[in-house]
This record gives sequence, structure tokens and C-alpha cells, in this order.
Amino acid sequence: NAGVTQTPKFQVLKTGQSMTLQCAQDMNHNSMYWYRQDPGMGLRLIYYSASEGTTDKGEVPNGYNVSRLNKREFSLRLESAAPSQTSVYFCASSVPSGGAQETQYFGPGTRLLVL
Amino acid sequence: DQQVKQNSPSLSVQEGRISILNCDYTNSMFDYFLWYKKYPAEGPTFLISISSIKDKNEDGRFTVFLNKSAKHLSLHIVPSQPGDSAVYFCAASAQNQFYFGTGTSLTVIP
Repeated sequence: NAGVTQTPKFQVLKTGQSMTLQCAQDMNHNSMYWYRQDPGMGLRLIYYSASEGTTDKGEVPNGYNVSRLNKREFSLRLESAAPSQTSVYFCASSVPSGGAQETQYFGPGTRLLVL
Repeated sequence: DQQVKQNSPSLSVQEGRISILNCDYTNSMFDYFLWYKKYPAEGPTFLISISSIKDKNEDGRFTVFLNKSAKHLSLHIVPSQPGDSAVYFCAASAQNQFYFGTGTSLTVIP
């Protein structure tokens, strides 16, 4: 059981370039999430997917798109990278832990530097 | 506007003593609260949680307390161990959207 995996682990982009961050989970979780972590800001939700075929905006969606390819995979795309998108990106999936509450499990993160 | 706040960026505690990490929130709609632990270059790992209908949840050395009237929760670690040194994030949830605090870096001194 690999849990939540993310690729790549580290990426350097030039302003205006595009890229896709990949995330996969093997825990059969319905919900998946993308966060970014910046110094002094905690983790902020970019997009989430409550189930296969659905996606919703989080707190900071501008400049990003997502695709829930199937139950296992949830990708995050930067169409035209900007220096403000330099961050550490975490993918998570979640499982109900009692009632309507869910507990999230995180991947190891992708460090992105936009020059 | 930060809905979940951790006002102490860092905390140092002697091994064997109690560590108390604090968290405040503003949204009364939050119904589930969690603590995560994060080591450098790794993703956060789930530690302990509490539902809004409870005021205490205990798991081994870790206890989370919730004071709904004060919109405050705390994590107690007793006894603290050097391996507990990490960044701790509190998080709050409403309708399966999660909001995280900025983290408290705990150092347990041997």
C-alpha cells in the first residue's frame, strides 16, 4: 500500500511554462485534494474532488486547473506558471472516519520553483 | 482572512514534560477538528481528531481538547519525546473543506 504518491518531487519552471502535477492514491478513497503550502500561510486548498467526475474550487484556485481522471488519480495543471506559484504542493485523499467527517492522508509533496 | 490560527510559531519543551499546542478558529460552522504532524520534506500525517460534539479525545500520549464557546482547541503531548519534534498543524473542517493553521514548530530537548 503506497498511500498517496506525487510526481515529480521537484520541478523548476520558467515563467509562462506549463506543467501537470500528478497524484495517485491506492486506498480507494472517494475524495481528493490539492493544497499549496507557503511560508507563514499554512496549507491552502486549491481544488478538491468529492468523487470521481466532480471537482470544486477551494480557497485559492486562480491559475490552476484540475482533472479527476479516475478514482485513483487527481492531477493539477498550471497552464502558464508565474513566480507567485512557487510553493510546495500537497495532494491528499480522505476517508470517512465517522458520520460525515473525513480524515485526510497526504502525499510527500512537490516542490515547485518558478523563475 | 485566516479562519484557523496558531499564534505560536514555535515551542521548546524538555523531554518528559508536557507540550501544549494551541489553536483558535473563527468559523462556528466547523464541526470537525484535526491535528497533523509534519517532518521536513514530508507530507503532513494525521495525528488525532475531535468532533464538535465532544470536548476531549485521547490517544496514547496525545490528547486534544475542544472549547467550543471559546473557539479554541489544544493538543497535549505527555510525556514529550525527542521524536515529537516536528511542525504541528491544526485543521478544521466544514462540509468536507479543510482549513489549516500556519503551524507550530515543536522542539523537544533531550
